[in-house]
Amino acid sequence: DQQVKQNSPSLSVQEGRISILNCDYTNSMFDYFLWYKKYPAEGPTFLISISSIKDKNEDGRFTVFLNKSAKHLSLHIVPSQPGDSAVYFCAAKRGAQKLVFGQGTRLTINP
Amino acid sequence: GAGVSQSPSNKVTEKGKDVELRCDPISGHTALYWYRQSLGQGLEFLIYFQGNSAPDKSGLPSDRFSAERTGGSVSTLTIQRTQQEDSAVYLCASSLTQYEQYFGPGTRLTVT
Repeated sequence: DQQVKQNSPSLSVQEGRISILNCDYTNSMFDYFLWYKKYPAEGPTFLISISSIKDKNEDGRFTVFLNKSAKHLSLHIVPSQPGDSAVYFCAAKRGAQKLVFGQGTRLTINP
Repeated sequence: GAGVSQSPSNKVTEKGKDVELRCDPISGHTALYWYRQSLGQGLEFLIYFQGNSAPDKSGLPSDRFSAERTGGSVSTLTIQRTQQEDSAVYLCASSLTQYEQYFGPGTRLTVT
């Protein structure tokens, strides 16, 4: 039972354009959502998060949008830079329970 | 400050052998997690330690897998009688709050 799904295994975007990474979840009880970024041979690093009481959180070039009615989460990166090329994982949790991760989306930024 | 460290970084072992993977969490972090990432797959939860509470072992795939956390700090993940399907990157994470987790670089396990 995959509670957090990232249906696009890969995404290719031109440098300078907007990258949009999507994530869907099935558990309406999730109340906190996070995005992690992972480079090869490194562990994932925290990028940005959002509480279920909000619908948007922005940090520099990164913005996370939450649509609770659609159970959908997205990460926008603008403008995209070559260093953004990595695998992005979305994750969700309910209260003090453990994080549930999606399968990841590999983002490639083309010069 | 020091982040989460894991050792070894790479481990090649023969099928049927036992392996031990080590995780040193960030000092003071009360929660410690083990995940694995198989080729082309997402992060699969294995086990979770929180303070002195009984660990959440719900993600361990078989009884060949076990983990300990000694003194509330260092953790060891043990895989007995390794199989080829155990080949993956094993990731450890620690956290102080119930929100962000800080990951180590992982141990790449290859079972031949």
